[in-house]
Amino acid sequence: AQKVTQAQTEISVVEKEDVTLDCVYETRDTTYYLFWYKQPPSGELVFLIRRNSFDEQNEISGRYSWNFQKSTSSFNFTITASQVVDSAVYFCALSDVDSNYQLIWGAGTKLIIKP
Amino acid sequence: DAMVIQNPRYQVTQFGKPVTLSCSQTLNHNVMYWYQQKSSQAPKLLFHYYDKDFNNEADTPDNFQSRRPNTSFCFLDIRSPGLGDAAMYLCATSREVGTNLLNTEAFFGQGTRLTVV
Repeated sequence: AQKVTQAQTEISVVEKEDVTLDCVYETRDTTYYLFWYKQPPSGELVFLIRRNSFDEQNEISGRYSWNFQKSTSSFNFTITASQVVDSAVYFCALSDVDSNYQLIWGAGTKLIIKP
Repeated sequence: DAMVIQNPRYQVTQFGKPVTLSCSQTLNHNVMYWYQQKSSQAPKLLFHYYDKDFNNEADTPDNFQSRRPNTSFCFLDIRSPGLGDAAMYLCATSREVGTNLLNTEAFFGQGTRLTVV
């Protein structure tokens, strides 16, 4: 069965530090998609990235970067030079054939950036 | 400008009294989703509409119903709210092609926080 594990329940760092949020997934399918969403205190979920299983290229978007490694079934998310506005809950999610492409969510990691 | 709008942001309802939450979108997306999110948990999909086709998750209680009168609007009806239904309810939309939902990019509203008293 599919599973997404975000082992870090809560991370607290001081502003300007780099921080990595871990995501490990399980799936039997060779075709699948991985996602990261941000949920700030205001409540809405903000889409950050979608990556398909055939594209292992790492992605960088400003201060955000993602490291996709199929060998370890991981899709980690790094924020460089963190800012207070990055404080939020971050969810990693998976969709695959078995789930009929419904999102399988991790439990989320609460990130606290202290000024 | 908000693209997925949920009203109201906060809703208080009495135990057992029917309540309706609304969602509208300006994206013209063909798929709309309703999620339930309880405190410190991941969102849980209740159901979704693919165009006019309604798709219920197997473990969604019968107490929860939905209506989609047109592309832009979708409603969540809770027929007899219980204390356990207190949660954040999130509406999302996406544009999908084909029979499988690829979740190309789901846009979420700000949610409605439901309190049951």
